[in-house]
Amino acid sequence: EDQVTQSPEALRLQEGESSSLNCSYTVSGLRGLFWYRQDPGKGPEFLFTLYSAGEEKEKERLKATLTKKESFLHITAPKPEDSATYLCALLQGGSYIPTFGRGTSLIVHP
Amino acid sequence: NAGVTQTPKFQVLKTGQSMTLQCAQDMNHNSMYWYRQDPGMGLRLIYYSASEGTTDKGEVPNGYNVSRLNKREFSLRLESAAPSQTSVYFCASSEDGVNQPQHFGDGTRLSIL
Repeated sequence: EDQVTQSPEALRLQEGESSSLNCSYTVSGLRGLFWYRQDPGKGPEFLFTLYSAGEEKEKERLKATLTKKESFLHITAPKPEDSATYLCALLQGGSYIPTFGRGTSLIVHP
Repeated sequence: NAGVTQTPKFQVLKTGQSMTLQCAQDMNHNSMYWYRQDPGMGLRLIYYSASEGTTDKGEVPNGYNVSRLNKREFSLRLESAAPSQTSVYFCASSEDGVNQPQHFGDGTRLSIL
């Protein structure tokens, strides 16, 4: 059973249609949760780190939030250039090796 | 500002051939990692190195070896390539300290025929 589950696997939006991506986790002792963006043919690019429930981070049209069981990446009024795969990863316990989710593929149509 | 550089970008091998994937970072990071990414499987850790001179197995180490040549460079070797090793390979590095994000290269796309 995956410790980190991302949903949906794929999401198609119209330009300007706001939505949210979900990253739920079952681990205990969460130390940090990361969000990355991955463009086709590229490596993941770091977006945010969240450390504790209730924390929020924003960057342009993206806002990441964290609860005790899940994180959301909210995309407000998306543009076609926001199309990418979004990955979440978390650190737990004493390990510094993150556990990655399988990602959500986002396509924003003009 | 190069960050993490991987070579080659693409490679096609025949079953049984060997090759080394190269990775170098210019951010003075101690920790370096090798992942493979397959459709529907996400990123899976092959090996990592917490510092120069140390390496440890990750989730899927079988069929691979690594060398931490110096602080900058971390190579991944396939001694006898198999079709199951067809994948995209990513190298990453991170700063010391708690909760540091990883910085990734752009990957090597490897096909084993």
